[in-house]
Parts: sequence; C-alpha cells; structure tokens
Amino acid sequence: GAVVSQHPSRVICKSGTSVKIECRSLDFQATTMFWYRQFPKKSLMLMATSNEGSKATYEQGVEKDKFLINHASLTLSTLTVTSAHPEDSSFYICSAPPTGQKSNTQYFGPGTRLTVL
Amino acid sequence: KNQVEQSPQSLIILEGKNCTLQCNYTVSPFSNLRWYKQDTGRGPVSLTIMTFSENTKSNGRYTATLDADTKQSSLHITASQLSDSASYICVVSDRGDMRFGAGTRLTVKP
Repeated sequence: GAVVSQHPSRVICKSGTSVKIECRSLDFQATTMFWYRQFPKKSLMLMATSNEGSKATYEQGVEKDKFLINHASLTLSTLTVTSAHPEDSSFYICSAPPTGQKSNTQYFGPGTRLTVL
Repeated sequence: KNQVEQSPQSLIILEGKNCTLQCNYTVSPFSNLRWYKQDTGRGPVSLTIMTFSENTKSNGRYTATLDADTKQSSLHITASQLSDSASYICVVSDRGDMRFGAGTRLTVKP
C-alpha cells in the first residue's frame, strides 16, 4: 500500500527555536497534503491544507505565521513551527491522498512528537 | 458541536472477547465513512471505508456497518487480541472535508 513518511519521528527543542517537520509520500504523488495536531487522548484536529505550488489553506484559529507550510514538490510538504513555545508541544500528523483521489483515499504519516522545553 | 460522535470513549475487554464501537454522525452531504486504528504514538491506519450504498464491510476480524438512514456506523471486533489495543477513529467525509470523531480508546487485557 501507499506509504507516507514523516521526519523526525520525535523532536525536543528549546522555547523560541523553530522546528521543521517533513512529510513525504514515498510511492505516489500528492498535490494536496493535510497537517493535523493531536493532543493526548484527543482526536486529530486539521490545521491546514498544503497545496503544491500555491499557498496553504489554514483552518480557523491556526496562525499561518506560526505554522509555516511549504509544499515544494509533489512528494514533500514541510511544516515549520516558528518560535516554538511549550504550548506547541503536541503530536503532529500529516496525511496525503494520491493525486486524483481527494477524499476516498487518505494515507497518514506515522506522526511527529514535538516537545518544547 | 462535533458532527461525529463516538461511543464509548473508552472500553476495556478481555482477550478473546468481542466488542462493538459506535459512531453517530450528522455530516451532510455524506460522501463516505472510514474507520481508522491508531496505535499510541503512531499515525492512523485505515481499516474500512464505506460509501452510501454499502451496509457492511469486513477486514479480517473487523466488521463495519453503516446505516445511512439513521446516520450510524459500528465497528465490530471479534476474538480480540492484545494488539487490538488502540484508539479507533471514525471519520466521515462530506463532498470535500473530513470530520473526525474523538475516538474510542480500546484496551484488551490478557
């Protein structure tokens, strides 16, 4: 089956630093990727939709200057948490539907655990 | 208000027993409903996907049902195993967006 990878799987950083998380579709192209965050024992919350070659679409309440998204190619999207604070500590997950399959197929990455000290 | 409600929030069963998880939704228009299994610290993995015309779909020991009239779905797990311990998330799509349930946390004990 299709595979989506994320890197790193976990990261610990100091408050005020920026952290970049990568999401890659390994065996298919994805013009759209989705970024979620998940708090302990809670479900996934959609943060933004990453669009290859254009600006990301952010959900209400998500600061676009705080969470920078770059969809540089058909297989790579990056989420950069800028000036991270302890409240940004969370589990970040990406997902991607193969191009041409918007909602019927969705492959999730394994997630990235971010801890901000 | 969440448009996808799952119950119970958590469930503990003994290994080998069966269980049923519920998902009620108000999402409209309806496109499809999916059940995912999410192990702790991992991303969700798809178990089943059902469209409007499908009533039942099985994937090994997992059987999902869908009643589009009452807008209810269930996930039945038979002969549970310790590895079934995970969160099970119901996701309902309208024509464009996905709506996530809060999940049911299942613990299977020996």
